[in-house]
Amino acid sequence: NAGVTQTPKFQVLKTGQSMTLQCAQDMNHNSMYWYRQDPGMGLRLIYYSASEGTTDKGEVPNGYNVSRLNKREFSLRLESAAPSQTSVYFCASSEDGARPSYEQYFGPGTRLTVT
Amino acid sequence: DAKTTQPPSMDCAEGRAANLPCNHSTISGNEYVYWYRQIHSQGPQYIIHGLKNNETNEMASLIITEDRKSSTLILPHATLRDTAVYYCIVKRSQGNLIFGKGTKLSVKP
Repeated sequence: NAGVTQTPKFQVLKTGQSMTLQCAQDMNHNSMYWYRQDPGMGLRLIYYSASEGTTDKGEVPNGYNVSRLNKREFSLRLESAAPSQTSVYFCASSEDGARPSYEQYFGPGTRLTVT
Repeated sequence: DAKTTQPPSMDCAEGRAANLPCNHSTISGNEYVYWYRQIHSQGPQYIIHGLKNNETNEMASLIITEDRKSSTLILPHATLRDTAVYYCIVKRSQGNLIFGKGTKLSVKP
């Protein structure tokens, strides 16, 4: 199993450009998440999808949109990138996010710089 | 979700046990204690979790006090590869983990 995979690994954007970060998991998990991590900080939740067909806002959703394409894939879109969105983005999945006894597994991250 | 308090940094000698404390005095009865670690800038790695009882797996042991207000993560024989930031998280409901700043563990030869 590859676990959680993310593409791309690195990206540089100019202010105002758009892009989509891709995430896929092969563990048949129901719930998926997008976090961002700024330098020296812990992770903050952007959006999550408790199950296929549902998405909900997390702590810092402004400037982002998400799509749960199917059970495996959860994408994060920046419509008009801003320098404040320079960060490392992590995708995670969990067997059942509604139950606190299930752990989350994280991908390797996408390092995004907006100039 | 309950807030956690961890020391910002700790040192441990290679081969010795690393004991990382966490205070979660406002934890409620249905909240689990989770531990993750993050090595350099990699994705966080799940270590262990528990509700009331002590837990052990191939990576670590988790000791939760009887009143559940604090816990300790134990890495029994720390190696240089265990140098990382360790996050203690209390998790109750809908999925998301609330990360603090964690404890930076430095394992020294």
